[in-house]
Amino acid sequence: DTGVSQDPRHKITKRGQNVTFRCDPISEHNRLYWYRQTLGQGPEFLTYFQNEAQLEKSRLLSDRFSAERPKGSFSTLEIQRTEQGDSAMYLCASSLGRGSRGANVLTFGAGSRLTVL
Amino acid sequence: GENVEQHPSTLSVQEGDSAVIKCTYSDSASNYFPWYKQELGKRPQLIIDIRSNVGEKKDQRIAVTLNKTAKHFSLHITETQPEDSAVYFCAASRSNFGNEKLTFGTGTRLTIIP
Repeated sequence: DTGVSQDPRHKITKRGQNVTFRCDPISEHNRLYWYRQTLGQGPEFLTYFQNEAQLEKSRLLSDRFSAERPKGSFSTLEIQRTEQGDSAMYLCASSLGRGSRGANVLTFGAGSRLTVL
Repeated sequence: GENVEQHPSTLSVQEGDSAVIKCTYSDSASNYFPWYKQELGKRPQLIIDIRSNVGEKKDQRIAVTLNKTAKHFSLHITETQPEDSAVYFCAASRSNFGNEKLTFGTGTRLTIIP
């Protein structure tokens, strides 16, 4: 599979626990994005990386959320002290990011669904 | 920040008829406008996009129009088919090539009635 992979696909946790999601982008893509989607809403931007550099982080993202892309390949999104309001689908996407037409189409992964009890 | 509004939230059309979904945006610096299709339980997939130097773009049964003055853009699907049933999201970005973050609309659930 040469698409964007996310793991786990589903995570059920109790309030207050920490969770971590992993995203493996398409290998030649140097931009990686995290979005959150709740039922009936469009994807909401969380953060994005150019290689290993985190270029922007949403102001809506609390300090409980942290993302890394240490070697410019896979990325992890960690949520500490989860709350019920964190329940959502967490989508990862990647793009070539080379600034040429058609090179910046976002390819999404299947998402990681988080349920906080 | 950018705000993207999308209408209608649900749309039902007879198979073979046309469907139109409209979006407005607030950031006049936005210049890249993609449309994504999300089938039930699946990931969003790009179906068409348009950049600010173009007023209209067509790809087979799908077309998108952009009015930068009015800050709105629309998706047109002609000769609708059952497989067009899905949720459609519009989005806007400041970068011509979508390098920067996309701000999405709230989605339109399109149902094609056989």
